[in-house]
Amino acid sequence: DTGVSQDPRHKITKRGQNVTFRCDPISEHNRLYWYRQTLGQGPEFLTYFQNEAQLEKSRLLSDRFSAERPKGSFSTLEIQRTEQGDSAMYLCASSLGGDYTDTQYFGPGTRLTVL
Amino acid sequence: GDSVTQMEGPVTLSEEAFLTINCTYTATGYPSLFWYVQYPGEGLQLLLKATKADDKGSNKGFEATYRKETTSFHLEKGSVQVSDSAVYFCALLSGGTSYGKLTFGQGTILTVHP
Repeated sequence: DTGVSQDPRHKITKRGQNVTFRCDPISEHNRLYWYRQTLGQGPEFLTYFQNEAQLEKSRLLSDRFSAERPKGSFSTLEIQRTEQGDSAMYLCASSLGGDYTDTQYFGPGTRLTVL
Repeated sequence: GDSVTQMEGPVTLSEEAFLTINCTYTATGYPSLFWYVQYPGEGLQLLLKATKADDKGSNKGFEATYRKETTSFHLEKGSVQVSDSAVYFCALLSGGTSYGKLTFGQGTILTVHP
């Protein structure tokens, strides 16, 4: 399978704990994106990387959230001191990048439940 | 800022009925437009896209035409099947100095009955 993969698929945690998610993009893709999707809504952009550089961050990404892509391959998204409002599906996508024809391919998502 | 508005659902149809899901957008510059589909228990999949005005995207019997004058990208299918039951998302890729984030509509749930 050469698609975008995410791990874990489900995470249940208690309020105040830290969690980390991993995303492995399609191998030749330079860009990697994180989105958040809550029930009944479309995905909302969080941040994206071009290789290892983080190019844009949404205002949704509070200082409790941090994302890295250390070698321009896989990426991690960490949430510190989780809150119940962080419960959502976290989606990763990747693309070749660059111009207006760019297509993003999505992984299956990590569903986070904060108790 | 950029935004996408989809017709409110859910939409319920009988098999072989005609489908239209409306999508309108607000954007600066010249965005590309996409329809993604999310089948039950699965991730988002690209259904079709159009990158400039008057382009028509098509896939699996679905079609959508990029209408700059009405800022619309309505999804149509002539004869739906039960297997088309899913959530459909309209999205735009922002233009400007860096083509990066996708902006999504809220999604439209489609249920097709035999």
